Amino acid sequence: GENVEQHPSTLSVQEGDSAVIKCTYSDSASNYFPWYKQELGKRPQLIIDIRSNVGEKKDQRIAVTLNKTAKHFSLHITETQPEDSAVYFCAAPREGYALNFGKGTSLLVTP
Amino acid sequence: DSGVTQTPKHLITATGQRVTLRCSPRSGDLSVYWYQQSLDQGLQFLIQYYNGEERAKGNILERFSAQQFPDLHSELNLSSLELGDSALYFCASSVGLAGVSEQYFGPGTRLTVT
Repeated sequence: GENVEQHPSTLSVQEGDSAVIKCTYSDSASNYFPWYKQELGKRPQLIIDIRSNVGEKKDQRIAVTLNKTAKHFSLHITETQPEDSAVYFCAAPREGYALNFGKGTSLLVTP
Repeated sequence: DSGVTQTPKHLITATGQRVTLRCSPRSGDLSVYWYQQSLDQGLQFLIQYYNGEERAKGNILERFSAQQFPDLHSELNLSSLELGDSALYFCASSVGLAGVSEQYFGPGTRLTVT
């Protein structure tokens, strides 16, 4: 199945700074890459996703970039706010069905 | 609210026991996925059903089983429970198959095995 590596495992930034989380995948046939945000004790929530026919997608302060040649994709959060503090997971399809998730990045935004 | 419901929210049971977790997908979603989340293993895919049929298996133990009923709700059965089975169990649903449509997660069932 698909292997998804995610870095860093923890990230601490000051409010207003940018945060970048990177993931790599192994299956070159993968065509869908979602990002989930999980607050403590809550369910993972889809925040943005990208399909393999585009290189970048933006939604307000959040953007995702995809490099199919290098098989990596990244989440960019600009102008971070304390409420952005959470665990972020990247994922890629496994054998075209469910998702394989990265290990998660714990983001802390300090005021 | 994602539209995916799970019951119960919390479950405390003893080793060796059997429990059943229930999930109702979003209206119109045909695929149901089960994931296990523990502190050291992250989100692990267990099993997927699509329109009543098993479609994919992940790291699901033989002591665990699942099914999807004609009304599309799903149940995950965990038997001969061990301390290591303590975890958050999430159900997710999507319209079709991953890679095509988004997955929406339920609130989870927190299982504690004592």
